[in-house]
Amino acid sequence: IQMTQSPSSLSASVGDRVTITCRASQSISTYLNWYQQKQGKAPKLLIYAASSLQSGVPSRFSGSGSGTDFSLTISSLQPEDFATYYCQQTYSTLYTFGQGTKVDIK
Amino acid sequence: EVQLVESGGGLVQPGGSLRLSCAASGFTFNSYEMNWVRQAPGKGLEWVSYITSSGGTIYYADSVKGRFTVSRDNAKNSLYLQMNSLRAEDTGVYYCAREGIPAASDYWGQGTRVTVSS
Repeated sequence: IQMTQSPSSLSASVGDRVTITCRASQSISTYLNWYQQKQGKAPKLLIYAASSLQSGVPSRFSGSGSGTDFSLTISSLQPEDFATYYCQQTYSTLYTFGQGTKVDIK
Repeated sequence: EVQLVESGGGLVQPGGSLRLSCAASGFTFNSYEMNWVRQAPGKGLEWVSYITSSGGTIYYADSVKGRFTVSRDNAKNSLYLQMNSLRAEDTGVYYCAREGIPAASDYWGQGTRVTVSS
């Protein structure tokens, strides 16, 4: 299953609302996770099962979608949110990640 | 505190072998599925392998199938990745990750770097 994220990169300002989309090549129900990765660090789980917020993750992060189309929204971008975001499908026994979306400062 | 610490990375020639280890602590290791994920320099994340809590079910990405072998020793709270017939494209940072939430990796190690080069 191929995962396609868009955009590949975006520039935004603190306080902006940001939405990243992820499309699966076939239906994956809600077996979709979102991770944040900062430079030189391990990924961090933000959202699991398409819309469930991982414990300790700020509520400005939210996820939605089912089937083939998903989105991650940051309601008000904070300085610590500048990072690369990846979606991951776990519907198939062969997990796959999207190519990533880099969010940087405008 | 949950901790995952990878080790065993290094420089190896093409065609060579390397064994990565992941030492787990702070949780009941034998109750959790585990994954290996890698990241080539400047590239995105690539899932490599999955193993169930008992080690009875294992999956591999097509890119490593037949060359890599994942295993675990629950008595030693350790996860392993035996990598054979290494290629330049296997170069990257290798992470072990706990599947603490069904089908999601909630804890990750800091990664160990593998470089395949002559």
